[in-house]
Amino acid sequence: SQQGEEDPQALSIQEGENATMNCSYKTSINNLQWYRQNSGRGLVHLILIRSNEREKHSGRLRVTLDTSKKSSSLLITASRAADTASYFCATDDRNTGGFKTIFGAGTRLFVKA
Amino acid sequence: GAVVSQHPSRVICKSGTSVKIECRSLDFQATTMFWYRQFPKQSLMLMATSNEGSKATYEQGVEKDKFLINHASLTLSTLTVTSAHPEDSSFYICSARDSGGGNQPQHFGDGTRLSIL
Repeated sequence: SQQGEEDPQALSIQEGENATMNCSYKTSINNLQWYRQNSGRGLVHLILIRSNEREKHSGRLRVTLDTSKKSSSLLITASRAADTASYFCATDDRNTGGFKTIFGAGTRLFVKA
Repeated sequence: GAVVSQHPSRVICKSGTSVKIECRSLDFQATTMFWYRQFPKQSLMLMATSNEGSKATYEQGVEKDKFLINHASLTLSTLTVTSAHPEDSSFYICSARDSGGGNQPQHFGDGTRLSIL
């Protein structure tokens, strides 16, 4: 079963604006990952943040992790139309030894040119 | 980077047909592969974990006789939807994790859109 809740479910912004997506989870984790999915395609891994890390950057992406609140955020700065996609957080369930990955409900991002 | 190839990308067939979907890791060995199902505008639902050389582990509520999984080699897992019916129509996605395990991201295939008429 999915354990992640993401908000917002859908987000529409203008090109150049920043997009922030949030994710909450329920169990203890080894790490948290963010993935992107273009419509009708598989998922592409964006960034992984370990449970002992608080913030991580990769290009225009900034991810934060607050294990006390069991939440994470993904910030995409200076968004582009090509960033239009669904974004999912995922956690490796520590109850399964970090073996099984559980996905959040996802945020559908639409960036208007 | 690591690549997972999933084939076919789209299948349209009649009710009662069995459909086989292949998932291959192209440049790494994957002792474990995962099969997901995704309904429109929803997240991925884990169906089963495919283990090389042993039986697959199915999630609760997933019929193992309906969704047959075979993981005969370190680079290939197959999912067979047996006697498919319209309610089996969905987007099926496989993934593989490099043998590094827990802190390694999963690499996903491009999915198979299955439509049962």
